[in-house]
Amino acid sequence: ELKVEQNPLFLSMQEGKNYTIYCNYSTTSDRLYWYRQDPGKSLESLFVLLSNGAVKQEGRLMASLDTKARLSTLHITAAVHDLSATYFCAFPLTGLVFGQGTRLTINP
Amino acid sequence: IAGITQAPTSQILAAGRRMTLRCTQDMRHNAMYWYRQDLGLGLRLIHYSNTAGTTGKGEVPDGYSVSRANTDDFPLTLASAVPSQTSVYFCASSAGGTSYNEQFFGPGTRLTVL
Repeated sequence: ELKVEQNPLFLSMQEGKNYTIYCNYSTTSDRLYWYRQDPGKSLESLFVLLSNGAVKQEGRLMASLDTKARLSTLHITAAVHDLSATYFCAFPLTGLVFGQGTRLTINP
Repeated sequence: IAGITQAPTSQILAAGRRMTLRCTQDMRHNAMYWYRQDLGLGLRLIHYSNTAGTTGKGEVPDGYSVSRANTDDFPLTLASAVPSQTSVYFCASSAGGTSYNEQFFGPGTRLTVL
């Protein structure tokens, strides 16, 4: 059975700090997706990682994929309050298999 | 361009009643999906359709049915709602016929079954 595990599940951090969210998955894949969800809202696509070693950056967020380690990371640089949200990684199978989500709170 | 629309936005339903959640996309995407999101959990796939006229079961299909008569519409029906079906339901679509294409999500339907 495929497992997609994120950690941490909850993260409270100060503005200006750096942190990394980890997404481990239990079977091979050459791609991985990251989504953002604000409270009460839908999911917004952040990154599509298409191959081993892929790295994508958008503003203060950077995502990477290591298919050999079955690991993807979402790195936050110099966090700002607007990045407070829940972040999901998702693994492509028949549909998408989602991690549990990481609820990120950034305090001023 | 609206993207994906879902209706209703929210609904309170008595147990045992029949309910159809509507989903329409205007992107001419081949594949469409239904997910449910329960409090504190990620999304779980209920049913999917890789192309008009075909459907398949996802991780949690019991109690739900779908149809795909055309490219744009993918309704989800609860034949006899039960309280455990209280959830937020998201419809999604992707250009290709598999999940190896980026999926775009609708705004969701919040369903409460009493």
